[in-house]
Amino acid sequence: KAGVTQTPRYLIKTRGQQVTLSCSPISGHRSVSWYQQTPGQGLQFLFEYFSETQRNKGNFPGRFSGRQFSNSRSEMNVSTLELGDSALYLCASSLSGRAVSDEQFFGPGTRLTVL
Amino acid sequence: GENVEQHPSTLSVQEGDSAVIKCTYSDSASNYFPWYKQELGKRPQLIIDIRSNVGEKKDQRIAVTLNKTAKHFSLHITETQPEDSAVYFCAATRGNEKLTFGTGTRLTIIP
Repeated sequence: KAGVTQTPRYLIKTRGQQVTLSCSPISGHRSVSWYQQTPGQGLQFLFEYFSETQRNKGNFPGRFSGRQFSNSRSEMNVSTLELGDSALYLCASSLSGRAVSDEQFFGPGTRLTVL
Repeated sequence: GENVEQHPSTLSVQEGDSAVIKCTYSDSASNYFPWYKQELGKRPQLIIDIRSNVGEKKDQRIAVTLNKTAKHFSLHITETQPEDSAVYFCAATRGNEKLTFGTGTRLTIIP
């Protein structure tokens, strides 16, 4: 079974631009969560989608948004990029999104650099 | 919401010695505590987890202990090997909520 994939793997943008990242979950998984990983801050939860609906949301500004398609693929968008948005963005998929019962599998991440 | 604190942020141990990483959580309703290992340049992977109805769980050289009263849980790695070098993250959730992660511990095994 193919793992979670993310595209692109690397991105370089300038301040003020916007960016769209993509995540393809493991086949059959309906939940996709997004995390921002920065040195010293660990993994910070952005949002979770299940069956095309946002089910949970972290404490990030409205510049961060996402969506999920009927095939469970998910995208996240960051508008008006700031230098502080430079990070590794990880997505994780699971069957139901309930960590207590279903393991989350992470993708390789997209490394975003904002200049 | 849940808040997870993790210590230490960096840890160096001699190969063959034991390593212990500790986490505390704030939400007494949290009932699931996984640990993830992230090797350099790779994705985080679940290595062990524990539910609130048990106090300890072992899997070969790794073990996790949970003290619900004190709201802390720990990862223990015995007989450390070079391949144990990685960043380790603890996390907590009350089951139907999102995972809240600690800030990570960079473990270095010294040959």
